[in-house]
Amino acid sequence: AQSVTQLGSHVSVSEGALVLLRCNYSSSVPPYLFWYVQYPNQGLQLLLKYTSAATLVKGINGFEAEFKKSETSFHLTKPSAHMSDAAEYFCAVSPSNRDDKIIFGKGTRLHILP
Amino acid sequence: EADIYQTPRYLVIGTGKKITLECSQTMGHDKMYWYQQDPGMELHLIHYSYGVNSTEKGDLSSESTVSRIRTEHFPLTLESARPSHTSQYLCASSESTIFNEQYFGPGTRLTVT
Repeated sequence: AQSVTQLGSHVSVSEGALVLLRCNYSSSVPPYLFWYVQYPNQGLQLLLKYTSAATLVKGINGFEAEFKKSETSFHLTKPSAHMSDAAEYFCAVSPSNRDDKIIFGKGTRLHILP
Repeated sequence: EADIYQTPRYLVIGTGKKITLECSQTMGHDKMYWYQQDPGMELHLIHYSYGVNSTEKGDLSSESTVSRIRTEHFPLTLESARPSHTSQYLCASSESTIFNEQYFGPGTRLTVT
């Protein structure tokens, strides 16, 4: 069975500092992986996705994530945090060999300190 | 512009009332989903559809029902609202491709008093 684990339900970083949000997955088949962002009182917006092409994936708003099969990880990073990055971030996994649903992690709330 | 819409955005209603949450998408996606999300919490899949006249229950048991008569429309109905139904409801859609990327609506925040 597939699963996603996001380490840290809350992460705080100073404005201008590196953002690192951790995501580990469990999948018996090569997965597709996603990061979504949710701003208050809004739906989820896709930040980036991994679909077995390049292992380093670049997304919107300066975010990127690296797929590491040996570590079963797909951590999200941004070199320099901005106040507008404060939001909830969800990692998600979907099997690549069948028509199936996406499994979401529990989310990480990112706080940006001035 | 292709998009996914949910109405109402906010709803406060009394116990026992029947309510329908609307979801429409203009992207021609075959797959549509309903998620329930409590504030600051994870998403729980409650219903999904892979096309017209196809509906399935999700991972989280829900007293709501859905219908899919038209590709673009996927309404969710609660026959008798209860305070335990207070939550945010998110609708999403995706293409029938294996990448399965989902597009989300803005959500409906439901409060049952």
